[in-house]
Amino acid sequence: DGGITQSPKYLFRKEGQNVTLSCEQNLNHDAMYWYRQDPGQGLRLIYYSQIVNDFQKGDIAEGYSVSREKKESFPLTVTSAQKNPTAFYLCASSVLGIQYFGAGTRLSVL
Amino acid sequence: KQEVTQIPAALSVPEGENLVLNCSFTDSAIYNLQWFRQDPGKGLTSLLLIQSSQREQTSGRLNASLDKSSGRSTLYIAASQPGDSATYLCAVRLGNFNKFYFGSGTKLNVKP
Repeated sequence: DGGITQSPKYLFRKEGQNVTLSCEQNLNHDAMYWYRQDPGQGLRLIYYSQIVNDFQKGDIAEGYSVSREKKESFPLTVTSAQKNPTAFYLCASSVLGIQYFGAGTRLSVL
Repeated sequence: KQEVTQIPAALSVPEGENLVLNCSFTDSAIYNLQWFRQDPGKGLTSLLLIQSSQREQTSGRLNASLDKSSGRSTLYIAASQPGDSATYLCAVRLGNFNKFYFGSGTKLNVKP
């Protein structure tokens, strides 16, 4: 069953804590993306990766970090430097110009 | 930078109506345009993809059109049903870059 798996579905962060959101895909896609969605707004690009061991900052990368050590995995770390992390986070992959999305992780601050 | 706008932000219609959702973009050098559906608290589901060389695409009751020169796309939904209630987003891929730009969506409510 091919697709993109994001975990956890819900995540809570304490003040000063780093948290990591998982994104795994078995679609064999080279390109992967992380987006942030706030209520009533569109998706804003945090980071993207075109290939293993390479990634680029998107429009709102400050306070976030990523790694791409394996083709199928693209984890996102929300660091303590991100002062307003409460949002819905979506991971996607793409091939031939078409994007495919995971089910999302909702991050809240305790 | 590519700006993508969707109007209206919200739409409420009675069941059975035909309706049109609008998407506009500022840079016409797009590679393709994709329409998505998002249910509350869920990820995005792809509905239709239009390549830059195409004028429209159809899938069931959905028809999407593309006018690159005017920077517009429309999503037409025929005979709307309560199950169509969701937020609809459009996204454009700019030129040969593997980046996508999203509108803020139209929240559709179809009343029984």
